[in-house]
Amino acid sequence: NAGVMQNPRHLVRRRGQEARLRCSPMKGHSHVYWYRQLPEEGLKFMVYLQKENIIDESGMPKERFSAEFPKEGPSILRIQQVVRGDSAAYFCASSPRDDGYTFGSGTRLTVV
Amino acid sequence: AQSVSQHNHHVILSEAASLELGCNYSYGGTVNLFWYVQYPGQHLQLLLKYFSGDPLVKGIKGFEAEFIKSKFSFNLRKPSVQWSDTAEYFCAVNARNNDMRFGAGTRLTVKP
Repeated sequence: NAGVMQNPRHLVRRRGQEARLRCSPMKGHSHVYWYRQLPEEGLKFMVYLQKENIIDESGMPKERFSAEFPKEGPSILRIQQVVRGDSAAYFCASSPRDDGYTFGSGTRLTVV
Repeated sequence: AQSVSQHNHHVILSEAASLELGCNYSYGGTVNLFWYVQYPGQHLQLLLKYFSGDPLVKGIKGFEAEFIKSKFSFNLRKPSVQWSDTAEYFCAVNARNNDMRFGAGTRLTVKP
């Protein structure tokens, strides 16, 4: 079992571009969570998804951010028109139900 | 490579028992250390964090953790657990290059 796979590990985008972060959950896990870690801070919850459904997006910024978890393929966190304040590490976790996380290694987004 | 080890996968205690959850990390540089808790059906919450200063850190809900640099450890403690402490606990290490790693988690069950 390869664990939770996130790619890319590092992503550099210019202001105004789009960032797409991918998360492949562990085999058999149908729940995916996205968290953002700002420098020198802890994790902040963003969104919780099950296959083809957004369960809780209370931590997502109202604009430019979206997430999906299609029937086939990885979960995608999409950030449109990135700004410098979006620079952070984004972590994905998966679980077979609504607890019991396994974390990925994160994607570090740098906006230049 | 940086890694985080949580020694206990599942801990079962009776109410009023004392708790200590082990966390060791492998990283030679300066680190920030965190403990997170996930209550059943909820998302991660930050329990406490250590960045610098007093190695004994007080967190919420009566939890504390001690950073022992020579042992690369950051164990979580609570003198007297309650049934409501039943949850999963994650240790995390954030290196100063902002590369963050999570332990596999320890499930705590407190019997009433």
